[in-house]
Amino acid sequence: GAGVSQSPSNKVTEKGKDVELRCDPISGHTALYWYRQRLGQGLEFLIYFQGNSAPDKSGLPSDRFSAERTGESVSTLTIQRTQQEDSAVYLCASSLARIMNTEAFFGQGTRLTVV
Amino acid sequence: AQSVTQLGSHVSVSEGALVLLRCNYSSSVPPYLFWYVQYPNQGLQLLLKYTTGATLVKGINGFEAEFKKSETSFHLTKPSAHMSDAAEYFCAVSDTGRRALTFGSGTRLQVQP
Repeated sequence: GAGVSQSPSNKVTEKGKDVELRCDPISGHTALYWYRQRLGQGLEFLIYFQGNSAPDKSGLPSDRFSAERTGESVSTLTIQRTQQEDSAVYLCASSLARIMNTEAFFGQGTRLTVV
Repeated sequence: AQSVTQLGSHVSVSEGALVLLRCNYSSSVPPYLFWYVQYPNQGLQLLLKYTTGATLVKGINGFEAEFKKSETSFHLTKPSAHMSDAAEYFCAVSDTGRRALTFGSGTRLQVQP
């Protein structure tokens, strides 16, 4: 596609429910990133995928968070047993390069609200 | 470890005035430095970046930034603000050892008529 696509754009869920967020990267981009942006704060790194290498999961805040990516295509971020502090905008980005000296292209995010 | 500090969560300038958004970083290795802009209801887009070479970097929409190693700074400037510059600006750092960008907390720029 023309850009990074994320779905849904908005999600309201009840505390304790599981949610799944989807990211379609730009075709051909080997690198894919997930970030979280809480209201009024910067972007918090969650996880990074590069090709078939083992993902860098160092930013995942708890074991309730997990992400998968099949090859160089779609990625899903799953949050189990959601809590109110999980409310945020979840941003996905993709890029061509193995190292971060080239541009990352961001999707418009999924706004998650846990009530 | 790497980190980014953006001084001032909100900056307000008059149209036509100088824009200065401050960014200081820490990195254990030579950094790659970026400024991203987020317009209302839009995704982040790259404004400019420093990787190697010339320390004064020019970006889109008349913005530029200067990498100053001695000050560990990468401040963003624009000589004359336009109403359309109103947005949130994020400074970010990456280095050769870490593959993901570390972002600052952002600075919201308001431009007054």
